[in-house]
Amino acid sequence: EPEVTQTPSHQVTQMGQEVILRCVPISNHLYFYWYRQILGQKVEFLVSFYNNEISEKSEIFDDQFSVERPDGSNFTLKIRSTKLEDSAMYFCASSGGAIGEKAKNIQYFGAGTRLSVL
Amino acid sequence: DQQVKQNSPSLSVQEGRISILNCDYTNSMFDYFLWYKKYPAEGPTFLISISSIKDKNEDGRFTVFLNKSAKHLSLHIVPSQPGDSAVYFCAASDRGGGSNYKLTFGKGTLLTVNP
Repeated sequence: EPEVTQTPSHQVTQMGQEVILRCVPISNHLYFYWYRQILGQKVEFLVSFYNNEISEKSEIFDDQFSVERPDGSNFTLKIRSTKLEDSAMYFCASSGGAIGEKAKNIQYFGAGTRLSVL
Repeated sequence: DQQVKQNSPSLSVQEGRISILNCDYTNSMFDYFLWYKKYPAEGPTFLISISSIKDKNEDGRFTVFLNKSAKHLSLHIVPSQPGDSAVYFCAASDRGGGSNYKLTFGKGTLLTVNP
């Protein structure tokens, strides 16, 4: 069964360093997302991406964040200068592999990347 | 800003009995609702969904009910099995006419099914 894959599973970095989180969405999906979950809190939307551009971004997604789909398979989240409060689980998701609102709404998630900023 | 609320942080049921997980929302623009299951160290796994034009959707042991007037949905699992033990997230989607299907999540309910 197709799945969303994320690498690495755990990333440890020093405050102020740049990190790139990688995702390979399900191959025929058209809509791509990043979410994060700080320990003990709810899953929060960061950004959505469709047709090679950002559809919407949350207040969390400031100038330190960027997303890219450099080729036909990868979808990356870059944090330019990490802060302690960026420590969280980051989930990539994708949807829209078929016609209809149901396919567009049902998002499939990767296992996540745990980012630890020291 | 809790647009999606799951007021029960945890629920414990006996194997074979019914599990009922509840979710309330405040944003009347939500038009699609989903339930996800999450195990530790894994991502959310899609379970079942319902469009706002329906009031019930059933898939095997799982049934989701939607009461739009009360802005309330519930997930029924019957019969409950020990393997159902996980955190269950309620999520809602508001496309707003665009090409963005972002999900707003509740805080989750930890379901424990005891053998």
